[in-house]
Amino acid sequence: DTGVSQDPRHKITKRGQNVTFRCDPISEHNRLYWYRQTLGQGPEFLTYFQNEAQLEKSRLLSDRFSAERPKGSFSTLEIQRTEQGDSAMYLCASSTGLDNTGELFFGEGSRLTVL
Amino acid sequence: LAKTTQPISMDSYEGQEVNITCSHNNIATNDYITWYQQFPSQGPRFIIQGYKTKVTNEVASLFIPADRKSSTLSLPRVSLSDTAVYYCLVPSNDYKLSFGAGTTVTVRA
Repeated sequence: DTGVSQDPRHKITKRGQNVTFRCDPISEHNRLYWYRQTLGQGPEFLTYFQNEAQLEKSRLLSDRFSAERPKGSFSTLEIQRTEQGDSAMYLCASSTGLDNTGELFFGEGSRLTVL
Repeated sequence: LAKTTQPISMDSYEGQEVNITCSHNNIATNDYITWYQQFPSQGPRFIIQGYKTKVTNEVASLFIPADRKSSTLSLPRVSLSDTAVYYCLVPSNDYKLSFGAGTTVTVRA
């Protein structure tokens, strides 16, 4: 399968714990995006990478959130000291990075439940 | 940033054609218009993309008028499995590629 893969698919944690999600994009895709989606809402942009460089970060991303993309391949999204409000689906997407086409390939998402 | 506006919801019946119009008044000259479909508990899935006039694939058609300030996604002969949320995206140098609330299409038997 050469699609975008995310791991884990589901994560249940207690408030205050740290969690990390991993995304493996489609190979040769330069851009990698993280989105967060809550019930009934569209995906909200969190951050994106062009290769290994994190080019933009949403104001939604508090200092408890950090994302990395070492070597421009897979990416991790870490949430420290989780809060109940962090419960959401975390979606990863990748693209070739061609300007203005907007075609993203999404993974199946990682659903986080904070108790 | 090209803000997009689309209806919140649409209802239809099996076998009918569903047309969803998205307004994007501030679309940039070199922007493409992209539509995504999302089922519950899944990531959005690309369905069609276009720049002008008409684009058709095995899933849908996309109609874009000459001024490109709107676009219409057409789903022919929908079935129950087409019940989903449909999003219209226009980049306009917004590399964040922001999604709105989308249009929830409900197909009834």
